[in-house]
Amino acid sequence: DSGVTQTPKHLITATGQRVTLRCSPRSGDLSVYWYQQSLDQGLQFLIQYYNGEERAKGNILERFSAQQFPDLHSELNLSSLELGDSALYFCASSVTPTGKGDTQYFGPGTRLTVL
Amino acid sequence: AQSVTQLDSHVSVSEGTPVLLRCNYSSSYSPSLFWYVQHPNKGLQLLLKYTSAATLVKGINGFEAEFKKSETSFHLTKPSAHMSDAAEYFCVVSASARQLTFGSGTQLTVLP
Repeated sequence: DSGVTQTPKHLITATGQRVTLRCSPRSGDLSVYWYQQSLDQGLQFLIQYYNGEERAKGNILERFSAQQFPDLHSELNLSSLELGDSALYFCASSVTPTGKGDTQYFGPGTRLTVL
Repeated sequence: AQSVTQLDSHVSVSEGTPVLLRCNYSSSYSPSLFWYVQHPNKGLQLLLKYTSAATLVKGINGFEAEFKKSETSFHLTKPSAHMSDAAEYFCVVSASARQLTFGSGTQLTVLP
């Protein structure tokens, strides 16, 4: 158990809908990262927050947004969902914001299915 | 820019035989390198990491990896495979960017 929690575990929704994925980092970790894992794209970095502020952006679509709250939990919002958004979404956390050399601890993921 | 190539998408070994999972990286800066493992329907677990200290890195569950700068490689090895090692393994690089860049993964099958 990494100490990172994600809810819900599974989410099934329809095209055009909006969903929110939630992540609680390990105790003491200030950085939160979001990743998408799909069969065709593999594991891709989406976005990073550190202590409430956005620090880095990866391949995140404009339909997707995220935020980190004062209690350090983070939410990933996915809107106008398409079939291709079906994937496993991981949250990871680390102590520092730098990334390089810093171990990221991953949650169990949220499996999103868009029908 | 940074990238990582896992040379085998599938590796199959017999229980008790050595494991070798190959990884080459590309980085404009001195990289940090990681191996993560993902068991079915589970999250990613860190096996080991290299951050410019000793080039031979020991990880959990008997795994180790050697950083070879001249070959830009970071291959993962284990002397004797166990059935519980069956999983997908990801080689990961982190250089100047804050994010991790993942390889495409190697599926390890362990035969009885």
